[in-house]
Amino acid sequence: GQQLNQSPQSMFIQEGEDVSMNCTSSSIFNTWLWYKQDPGEGPVLLIALYKAGELTSNGRLTAQFGITRKDSFLNISASIPSDVGIYFCAGQLRAAGNKLTFGGGTRVLVKP
Amino acid sequence: GAGVSQTPSNKVTEKGKYVELRCDPISGHTALYWYRQSLGQGPEFLIYFQGTGAADDSGLPNDRFFAVRPEGSVSTLKIQRTERGDSAVYLCASGQGLAGGNTQYFGPGTRLTVL
Repeated sequence: GQQLNQSPQSMFIQEGEDVSMNCTSSSIFNTWLWYKQDPGEGPVLLIALYKAGELTSNGRLTAQFGITRKDSFLNISASIPSDVGIYFCAGQLRAAGNKLTFGGGTRVLVKP
Repeated sequence: GAGVSQTPSNKVTEKGKYVELRCDPISGHTALYWYRQSLGQGPEFLIYFQGTGAADDSGLPNDRFFAVRPEGSVSTLKIQRTERGDSAVYLCASGQGLAGGNTQYFGPGTRLTVL
């Protein structure tokens, strides 16, 4: 099935660093969302974006809904150990019953 | 609890067997979604219920997969004649439906292993 193009696939972070990941699609969405998934758990919503160009923050997280409605990015500032996990972007279309189309995920790991 | 619950948390079965996976949505949520997540990938949509009816089942991979929500609350995903390729985590999410906003809340998933 269709998945969004999410990059990078994985990244190593050092405490205090800023990290960034992005997501692109060939089709437009009404809503872009970013989720975090920990092992053995379901995805947990971090940020939802509802309007093209919107920039939204949630604590150390900042995300933007691209102007073309086909892309989004997520930034994490001053990373901490508990930021480790898998981050997924997802697009949502009202005309499609709000079902979510997910990216392949960005795995955030701690630098050894 | 107040969240989405799924049972069982793990299910191991043999090829060819029938399995049922259950989802208890958040009370009052009219929309219910099933997704499948293979190892190392993002979840993929299977089916969506609005109330009791399946509004969109376009993600079901074939006719071995079926889901019901007879009273508009609990849903059961049924897989007949399981195959090894069915092994995945099956996630359920609920929401308030089109009129109530877009947010979907996920359960912890059922990890299905077909031997």
